[in-house]
Amino acid sequence: DAKTTQPPSMDCAEGRAANLPCNHSTISGNEYVYWYRQIHSQGPQYIIHGLKNNETNEMASLIITEDRKSSTLILPHATLRDTAVYYCIVINAGNNRKLIWGLGTSLAVNP
Amino acid sequence: DSGVTQTPKHLITATGQRVTLRCSPRSGDLSVYWYQQSLDQGLQFLIQYYNGEERAKGNILERFSAQQFPDLHSELNLSSLELGDSALYFCASSDWDRGYADTQYFGPGTRLTVL
Repeated sequence: DAKTTQPPSMDCAEGRAANLPCNHSTISGNEYVYWYRQIHSQGPQYIIHGLKNNETNEMASLIITEDRKSSTLILPHATLRDTAVYYCIVINAGNNRKLIWGLGTSLAVNP
Repeated sequence: DSGVTQTPKHLITATGQRVTLRCSPRSGDLSVYWYQQSLDQGLQFLIQYYNGEERAKGNILERFSAQQFPDLHSELNLSSLELGDSALYFCASSDWDRGYADTQYFGPGTRLTVL
């Protein structure tokens, strides 16, 4: 399964857009890009996922490059409650999968 | 609230002991996953069950075992505990079936402290 690379930390001002990048250069055709976040030792929370096309839901937008080697999670109007560790992972929809979680990006939203 | 429940919330025990962590998946989810998260570390996938059968195995120690029961709840058994087993243990569930993407919903976790 493909591994992901994310910056260890980022800062964002409250009310501004937070753009979190993720590199997954070895992703294969049947692997989805998923984003989760974890707020201070709570259980990780699902945010959004995509395969090829850009996706948007009530929480965030996901932009996947045409070659699928990288993606960006966008929180359009970050709030203090968005301070968390954000994980980008790739998941194979096949039968046998090993789920690899990196260390994620620690996002600090500042007032 | 994800709909996944885990008990107990906290567990403090001594080295060499055995503990059991319990997870109830979301209603309708057949797949259960267990993860370990040590201090300031990412999540380490341990094991996955689907409808009572083991489906994928990660870095699970031989001292650890899990099972999923007919009512779909799952238990993670940790034995001969060591100090290094102190961690957060998360359970997640999904309606995963082969060929589909796998959105996992996580429980609140069990914090295990081994003294």
